[in-house]
Amino acid sequence: AQTVTQSQPEMSVQEAETVTLSCTYDTSESDYYLFWYKQPPSRQMILVIRQEAYKQQNATENRFSVNFQKAAKSFSLKISDSQLGDAAMYFCAYRSGSNYQLIWGAGTKLIIKP
Amino acid sequence: ETGVTQTPRHLVMGMTNKKSLKCEQHLGHNAMYWYKQSAKKPLELMFVYSLEERVENNSVPSRFSPECPNSSHLFLHLHTLQPEDSALYLCASSQEVQGSYEKLFFGSGTQLSVL
Repeated sequence: AQTVTQSQPEMSVQEAETVTLSCTYDTSESDYYLFWYKQPPSRQMILVIRQEAYKQQNATENRFSVNFQKAAKSFSLKISDSQLGDAAMYFCAYRSGSNYQLIWGAGTKLIIKP
Repeated sequence: ETGVTQTPRHLVMGMTNKKSLKCEQHLGHNAMYWYKQSAKKPLELMFVYSLEERVENNSVPSRFSPECPNSSHLFLHLHTLQPEDSALYLCASSQEVQGSYEKLFFGSGTQLSVL
């Protein structure tokens, strides 16, 4: 069965600095999709970025980018120029190409220090 | 108006009560989901509906009863809950169920406390 592991329960970063959140996953499939969702104090989960496994190029969305290492089964999220509004829980998720169910990590709490 | 709206925001109930959680999506999506979020645990998928038909029931106890009267509304009926059912219940929607690249849109959840 697929699993998703986020080894950092909590991370902190100084405002305007860069932070990387780690995520590893376990799968025997070659067709899958990876996601990072953000859950701010408002509790509403929001998609930050997503990556298709067959694409070698790392996805980017403004200040958010991923480092997708398929062989290592690693999918880390880099946040550049951290802002106070980035403070939230960040969840990594995996979806098989043959199944619609998302497999979620336990989350990383990101604290932004002003 | 937000895309996915959940009510109530907070709910406290006794173990013998019956209550319902409501979710409404204004995005024209065909799929709706109930998730349970407990502290320091991954999100657990409870139910999935596609065009008002249930397509997934992940071994959820019968004290949780979903209802999807149309593609815009989803309910979760609760009865004789246990204290361990206390959690944040999140509703989500997506355009389709089967699209692997589908983006989920979430509501703000109902924080449930069972006394």
